[in-house]
Parts: sequence; C-alpha cells; structure tokens
Amino acid sequence: DAGVIQSPRHEVTEMGQEVTLRCKPISGHDYLFWYRQTMMRGLELLIYFNNNVPIDDSGMPEDRFSAKMPNASFSTLKIQPSEPRDSAVYFCASSFVGGGGEQYFGPGTRLTVT
Amino acid sequence: EDKVVQSPLSLVVHEGDTVTLNCSYEVTNFRSLLWYKQEKKAPTFLFMLTSSGIEKKSGRLSSILDKKELFSILNITATQTGDSAVYLCAVYDNYGQNFVFGPGTRLSVLP
Repeated sequence: DAGVIQSPRHEVTEMGQEVTLRCKPISGHDYLFWYRQTMMRGLELLIYFNNNVPIDDSGMPEDRFSAKMPNASFSTLKIQPSEPRDSAVYFCASSFVGGGGEQYFGPGTRLTVT
Repeated sequence: EDKVVQSPLSLVVHEGDTVTLNCSYEVTNFRSLLWYKQEKKAPTFLFMLTSSGIEKKSGRLSSILDKKELFSILNITATQTGDSAVYLCAVYDNYGQNFVFGPGTRLSVLP
C-alpha cells in the first residue's frame, strides 16, 4: 500500500483565495483525521470521519474551514477565504479498528498564505 | 478538559546518553496512549500502550504506562544523532472519541 496520500505537498496562495487540500487514506481504514500543525500551537485535530461521516468537527477553527469525505477513498479540506494565519502544515491520517489505534500520517501539505 | 503534558519540552544530550521523556495526561475515559517520532516530515508511530506495567520495546527504545498515576515514559538508550526529533505523546479518550496530542519533546542528540 502506498500509505496515506496528500496533495498538493506545497501550496502558496494569496489571502482571500480558496484552498483545497486532498487526502487519500489507506485502503480499508475506516477513520480519517485532519490535523494542522504550527510552531505556536503544535498538532491540532481539526475534524475526523468514521465511515465517511464527520464525527467531531469541534477543532475546525471557524466557518471558513470545511471538510468532506464523499467516499471511503477521498477527503478534502477546504479553506475559503484563506488568511495568512492559516499558514501551517496540514496532515491527514487514517486508522483502522476505530479510535485508539495507530494512526498513519500522510506527508502533509505545507500551506503558505501571503 | 482533556490534557496531555510532556516534559521536558526540549532536551540536548550527547551520543551515547540515555534519555527519559515523560507524558502525563488527564482524559475522561482513557483508551490508549501512543508515542510518535516526528523528524522533518509526518509523525511516525513508535508504540501504543493500553495496559499498565507492560513494557513495549523496540531496539533502543522502550515505553511503559502507569494508568494509576496517569503517565507514560519513553526511554531511549545509547542515543544516536538519528534520534534527534520531536517525540509526541497522544492519548485517546473513549468518551469524546478523540485523540489529544501533547506539545512534544524536542530531542537533540549531539555527536
């Protein structure tokens, strides 16, 4: 298996633009997590899905952020409109056997909003 | 509110030294504690602990959980420069069905 796949790996955009991050979890995993990591705040859980259904989105910073998982092999995290403070590395992770099990992280998307 | 605290936040040692990293937690309904190593890329899994007193070991790394005192330690013996990384502790709360990550310990191993 190729592991968790994220795209793009790097994204540079201007403030106000829409940004879409993509994730393909490991086949057969039933949980998918979106994280954001910054130097100041460390690793933060934004939202996670179980069997394509959002379970907890309490970590999503504000209405500018939205996430979808239309099927078991694809998820998107969208920021509209983007702001400089959204600059961070966004990780997607997936796991099997529900929560509490090992999470496999994707390589991350480094987002820079100017 | 769930909380995971790691100490020290930063540590500098020389090759060959032994280090102990600490993770303490407060969660409503503990299910598991995980250790990750993060170098420049994504976190990579080290250990998952669910039971007290049972040591998990992988080469020079080992970890143990104390569910009574609500903490875990990660030991690295005979450290090498390749061990330089941020070590993250994460706890899974069954009540909130949520992972909570600690701030990490940044370990620097000097030659």
